[in-house]
Amino acid sequence: GDSVTQMEGPVTLSEEAFLTINCTYTATGYPSLFWYVQYPGEGLQLLLKATKADDKGSNKGFEATYRKETTSFHLEKGSVQVSDSAVYFCALSALGDQGGKLIFGQGTELSVKP
Amino acid sequence: NAGVTQTPKFQVLKTGQSMTLQCAQDMNHEYMSWYRQDPGMGLRLIHYSVGAGITDQGEVPNGYNVSRSTTEDFPLRLLSAAPSQTSVYFCASRMIERSYGYTFGSGTRLTVV
Repeated sequence: GDSVTQMEGPVTLSEEAFLTINCTYTATGYPSLFWYVQYPGEGLQLLLKATKADDKGSNKGFEATYRKETTSFHLEKGSVQVSDSAVYFCALSALGDQGGKLIFGQGTELSVKP
Repeated sequence: NAGVTQTPKFQVLKTGQSMTLQCAQDMNHEYMSWYRQDPGMGLRLIHYSVGAGITDQGEVPNGYNVSRSTTEDFPLRLLSAAPSQTSVYFCASRMIERSYGYTFGSGTRLTVV
């Protein structure tokens, strides 16, 4: 079945460091791919998305490119801030599968120190 | 503000009790879902609905019941609470076009003792 694998955390970085969180997926067909962020005590917020191969999603300085050849959707940010500390989830939505359900990775906790 | 509203935010139940987690959205979204979030397991789909009057099971439906009588509301019922249902529950909704992604509520933290 479809699945998403994320790099394990927690990830601890200093402010202004470069961030990469790896995400790879297994799916039949052409899923839509998403990154969600969860701040402490809150629900999930959509951070960015990509719907077809070579699409680049971007938002708030974060970027991720849909790579079909490597089945990856890695999240990057050039310079992280303390306010980026959160849990990040990679997810896919497969066409016609249970109402387009989201299949999530385990989540990667990011902690940014001043 | 438009969005997904969940109530209550916190709840403690005794084993065997029943309760309903409420979810309402005001964005006229057709699709609605319930997920549970457990440490180390990410989020898993409990039940979902693709429109009023239409519901179906997700990955982990046992012990839960849903109904969808209106577009706006999608309550989740725990029939007889068990400690294994201790979790954080999220309701989410989206438009028919899946590429827009789901909008999530702020969650209900449930503890069953």
